[in-house]
Amino acid sequence: LAKTTQPISMDSYEGQEVNITCSHNNIATNDYITWYQQFPSQGPRFIIQGYKTKVTNEVASLFIPADRKSSTLSLPRVSLSDTAVYYCLFGGTGFQKLVFGTGTRLLVSP
Amino acid sequence: NAGVTQTPKFQVLKTGQSMTLQCAQDMNHNSMYWYRQDPGMGLRLIYYSASEGTTDKGEVPNGYNVSRLNKREFSLRLESAAPSQTSVYFCASSEIAREQYFGPGTRLTVT
Repeated sequence: LAKTTQPISMDSYEGQEVNITCSHNNIATNDYITWYQQFPSQGPRFIIQGYKTKVTNEVASLFIPADRKSSTLSLPRVSLSDTAVYYCLFGGTGFQKLVFGTGTRLLVSP
Repeated sequence: NAGVTQTPKFQVLKTGQSMTLQCAQDMNHNSMYWYRQDPGMGLRLIYYSASEGTTDKGEVPNGYNVSRLNKREFSLRLESAAPSQTSVYFCASSEIAREQYFGPGTRLTVT
């Protein structure tokens, strides 16, 4: 099964940029990298995906180096409402089961 | 457009009782999933349905059964509930497996 490694927790303050790095050494050629966000008492929410280089949307940026063995989710100017658990996953274009690890618990303080 | 809906939101069962968790999606997705999440843990896949008419076991299927009633609905049944099944259950749907849409969850307690 697809395996990722990410920090268990991170702390930040409002207004700072937060970077969460995930390693995925056994990523396959056709796998995309996907990040989900989960607030307490809610289901996970898809936030961004990418294949290589950089992807940006209204929520976050995703940086993927050329070897694709890691990726970094960047949250610009976090607010208290960004306090959540962030999961890194990877998978291909066809149907497959996703594996959610324990994620990174981000705590944003005033 | 409600997305993925789940019923009930909360449920308390006694050991040995049975119940069915309901899930429906209005996004015309082919694939649907059932996960459980225990405190402080990530999600674990119980069963999934790649398309209408098919179901397959995930990582932790023991003690559960599923039915893909039609393209919209995917139910999860606990035939004889056990305390170890106390958890939060999430249903999800997707067109592409890596981009799944989750429901609000059902918090189940088995005493």
